[in-house]
Amino acid sequence: DAGVTQSPTHLIKTRGQHVTLRCSPISGHKSVSWYQQVLGQGPQFIFQYYEKEERGRGNFPDRFSARQFPNYSSELNVNALLLGDSALYLCASSVDTGEETQYFGPGTRLLVL
Amino acid sequence: QKEVEQDPGPLSVPEGAIVSLNCTYSNSAFQYFMWYRQYSRKGPELLMYTYSSGNKEDGRFTAQVDKSSKYISLFIRDSQPSDSATYLCAPRRSNDYKLSFGAGTTVTVRA
Repeated sequence: DAGVTQSPTHLIKTRGQHVTLRCSPISGHKSVSWYQQVLGQGPQFIFQYYEKEERGRGNFPDRFSARQFPNYSSELNVNALLLGDSALYLCASSVDTGEETQYFGPGTRLLVL
Repeated sequence: QKEVEQDPGPLSVPEGAIVSLNCTYSNSAFQYFMWYRQYSRKGPELLMYTYSSGNKEDGRFTAQVDKSSKYISLFIRDSQPSDSATYLCAPRRSNDYKLSFGAGTTVTVRA
């Protein structure tokens, strides 16, 4: 079975630009969460979606937004990129919101210049 | 104060040694205690998790939780070079989706 997939694997943007990151969950998983991992730190929770509805949001500015599609895939959008947005963006999927096992994808490495 | 504090690394141990990894947390509502392993430039993978206080063993790995002192531990016995990775503790509340990660401890096992 395919695991969580994310695209692109790497991305270079300049300050002020917009970026869209994509995630496909494991087949049968309806919940997708997004995390930001800055180098040398643990992942920080950004969003969680379940059945196409936002169920939780971390302490991130409104420049960050996300959505989930009918096939349960998800997009994370970041507007007006800052240098500090450079990080590994991780997507995790699980069966439902309370499921204890979240499976992470390989991440998208974003560099903002 | 961060919600989860993890012993800073890095740790370098010889092959076959016991590795001890520790975290403390402040949120008494945490009920699930996860340990993730992350290889360089990869996503985290779940090693094991414990519900509430107690011990759990899985092969060479043992997880311990002491809720009275808000202390989480992971022990790796007979460590192997393939265990070289960053280990992240990640507790969460019941019926909650949000994982609160520690900063991670990077372990190197020398052959």
